[in-house]
Amino acid sequence: DTAVSQTPKYLVTQMGNDKSIKCEQNLGHDTMYWYKQDSKKFLKIMFSYNNKELIINETVPNRFSPKSPDKAHLNLHINSLELGDSAVYFCASSRFRDTQYFGPGTRLTVL
Amino acid sequence: GDSVTQMEGPVTLSEEAFLTINCTYTATGYPSLFWYVQYPGEGLQLLLKATKADDKGSNKGFEATYRKETTSFHLEKGSVQVSDSAVYFCALHYYNAGNMLTFGGGTRLMVKP
Repeated sequence: DTAVSQTPKYLVTQMGNDKSIKCEQNLGHDTMYWYKQDSKKFLKIMFSYNNKELIINETVPNRFSPKSPDKAHLNLHINSLELGDSAVYFCASSRFRDTQYFGPGTRLTVL
Repeated sequence: GDSVTQMEGPVTLSEEAFLTINCTYTATGYPSLFWYVQYPGEGLQLLLKATKADDKGSNKGFEATYRKETTSFHLEKGSVQVSDSAVYFCALHYYNAGNMLTFGGGTRLMVKP
């Protein structure tokens, strides 16, 4: 009965590959987010979706593309992976304009 | 723009010691303030929050008071336990269309028996 879940938990891949991270929430929230945590633990918002519509798109390379098939899912697709993409990616969800709840994170390592 | 500054860690304490982790913010409006905690290998958990000036958030023995005059939201606990060892993040947030959290850099707390 995990509230916000992410798969996979760990992802190791080669430079240049394309990969996806999936996020699902069962809280009935209508807004979902992706955050990136770098090696120094600094957290920064990447995207925010409300009712499947993009409402925040911070300065993120075009290689990153979020996809929201429905309100309970927000997937992150990354093309042409680079070394600098190595990080922990957190999904979060909330009711509109309300407190955010985070998933367990996906540690991406690009070799 | 808005920003959050936390004391750099790691903070190392003995069990039952008093904890303070400083957090100050710069904001153009009137945000809500949060503390999130990240235990080793896990995601972020909401620890406590305060939505307006002079509000005190509290949870699990931790507390923090929203001080508008000093733009601070310091986290305190009277007696820490080994299980409190984690990274603590201060964040500010506006309940608007963007609804985005702005995080501080995190402070690692290590509690020794």
